[in-house]
Amino acid sequence: QQPVQSPQAVILREGEDAVINCSSSKALYSVHWYRQKHGEAPVFLMILLKGGEQKGHEKISASFNEKKQQSSLYLTASQLSYSGTYFCGTGGSGNTGKLIFGQGTTLQVKP
Amino acid sequence: DSGVTQTPKHLITATGQRVTLRCSPRSGDLSVYWYQQSLDQGLQFLIQYYNGEERAKGNILERFSAQQFPDLHSELNLSSLELGDSALYFCASSFNKEGGPSAMNEQFFGPGTRLTVL
Repeated sequence: QQPVQSPQAVILREGEDAVINCSSSKALYSVHWYRQKHGEAPVFLMILLKGGEQKGHEKISASFNEKKQQSSLYLTASQLSYSGTYFCGTGGSGNTGKLIFGQGTTLQVKP
Repeated sequence: DSGVTQTPKHLITATGQRVTLRCSPRSGDLSVYWYQQSLDQGLQFLIQYYNGEERAKGNILERFSAQQFPDLHSELNLSSLELGDSALYFCASSFNKEGGPSAMNEQFFGPGTRLTVL
């Protein structure tokens, strides 16, 4: 089941904040966040696990709400380099690294 | 540069043909994943290999197959190509501790192969 991301697109000015949400209809075990710039490969941002464990870049923050089956990515004091499409991927508890990605959220940061 | 390499970068072929996409994972990574990204679409998981064995399967068509070789590089074979197979195909790899893949391992994506079926 593909997770649902919201909003689909957002436009910001430099220095503004944004929140991108990722909701699943299934119980979440792990959530991965990636950013993809046009024509490039997705780049890892953060992993959040059920139970609170996290791994990722220092300047990125995110939350994981087991009850709501939702994760949110927080982008604060946005920079032009934050522009791109953000994908969340949900992983299961099995012995695979399989991720099911959401449809993506396009973020555009303007000067 | 993620350390994952994919060849070729671009591939143009005709319907009904067969192509092979190649991926070399980062040094030390045992898992390889294949994803399909169509225009304006998200990343669709196709298949995962871990240390030479198939570990997980997504919505991969029967016309598509993959394998991972002893040197850990992987190939994705696409046959009887259709117009709808035109897409960007990404390979990703991850490091996994002894015991196999886990959800805590980030995936490193290669630059992708853009397939155009005419």
